[in-house]
Order: sequence, then structure tokens, then C-alpha cells
Amino acid sequence: EAGVAQSPRYKIIEKRQSVAFWCNPISGHATLYWYQQILGQGPKLLIQFQNNGVVDDSQLPKDRFSAERLKGVDSTLKIQPAKLEDSAVYLCASSPRGRGILEQYFGPGTRLTVT
Amino acid sequence: TQLLEQSPQFLSIQEGENLTVYCNSSSVFSSLQWYRQEPGEGPVLLVTVVTGGEVKKLKRLTFQFGDARKDSSLHITAAQPGDTGLYLCAGGEGGSYIPTFGRGTSLIVHP
Repeated sequence: EAGVAQSPRYKIIEKRQSVAFWCNPISGHATLYWYQQILGQGPKLLIQFQNNGVVDDSQLPKDRFSAERLKGVDSTLKIQPAKLEDSAVYLCASSPRGRGILEQYFGPGTRLTVT
Repeated sequence: TQLLEQSPQFLSIQEGENLTVYCNSSSVFSSLQWYRQEPGEGPVLLVTVVTGGEVKKLKRLTFQFGDARKDSSLHITAAQPGDTGLYLCAGGEGGSYIPTFGRGTSLIVHP
């Protein structure tokens, strides 16, 4: 079974530029999560989807971050405009139906550097 | 303030030593998960504990969930260099389905 796929793996941009990350979860997984992991910290949940609906986005900086999962499968996370403090690893995870936080599978992440 | 406090933050030991890392909270969690994350990779789930007092073993790793479901520990026996990584605990506070992660314990095992 293929794992969670993310692209790109690395991205370097200047502040005020825009960037987008893509995630393809494990086939059949209903729940999809986007996390931000700053160096030296644990992952922080940005947004959680159940199929193509948003379950929680309370920690998503909505003035600059947006995410969508239009067909309930893959998802994109966008930052516009980027700030220096957005430098982090952006992780995508998915869970089988009914398992939620009990069983998350993570992708390798996208390392974003904002200069 | 972190909902899940992990200690120690860093641990550097020699191969063959035993170690314990802790995950503590003032809140009750319906379940706790332990993950290991290697550099450049996403976290990998090691175990989920759901019952207060529960003990689970995974080869040389022993996980325990506190009776009050506010804390958990991970014990590694005879650590090996392959155990090197960042150990993260996570859970949903009070039965929430919104996951919270601790900051992690960074473990280095020297050959």
C-alpha cells in the first residue's frame, strides 16, 4: 500500500511570495490533516478534513493560509503572502475511516524556508 | 503552555543502556499515541494506549498509560543506534478528536 505522498519536498521562497503544497493521502482514508512543525517543536495541527469538509481549522492563520480538499482525496495548502516565521516543515497525515487520531499516517513533509 | 509536556527534552546515551521518557498533562486524554520521527521524515506511529493503567510492549519498547489517563511513559531496554530519533506523544484532550502533540524527546544512541 502506498503511503502519504507530499510534494515538493523542499521549497525556498522570499518573504511576501506565495507557495503551495500538495498532499495525496493513503487510498480510502477519509480524514486528512495538515500540520506545521517548527524546528525543535512537535507538529501543530493547522486544519483537519473529513472527506471534503473541514472539521477543525481553529489554528490556521486564515489571513494568509488556505487549504482545500475538493474531491475528498488529495489536498493543497497555500500560503500567501509568506512570512519569515512560516519557515517550518509542513506535514500531511491521513487516517482510515473511524480511526481518527488513534491511527495517523504521515507523509515525509515539505521543508519550507522563507528568506 | 503545552497541553502535553515531554521530558527530558534531550537524551544522549550509549548503546545497551536503558531509558525512560515521559509525557505528562494536567488534562485527561481518552487515548495517547507515541510516534518516532527520524530526520527528514514524518512521524511513524509506534503505539496507541486507550485504557488507564494499560501497558503495551513492542519488542524492546514498553509503553504505559497512567491510571488517571493524564500521563504516559516509554521505556526502552538495551537501546540501539537504530532507536535514535525524536519521540513524540500525542492525543485528544478530554476525548477530543483534535490531535495535540508534545514537543518531543530527542534521543541519540551512540554505538
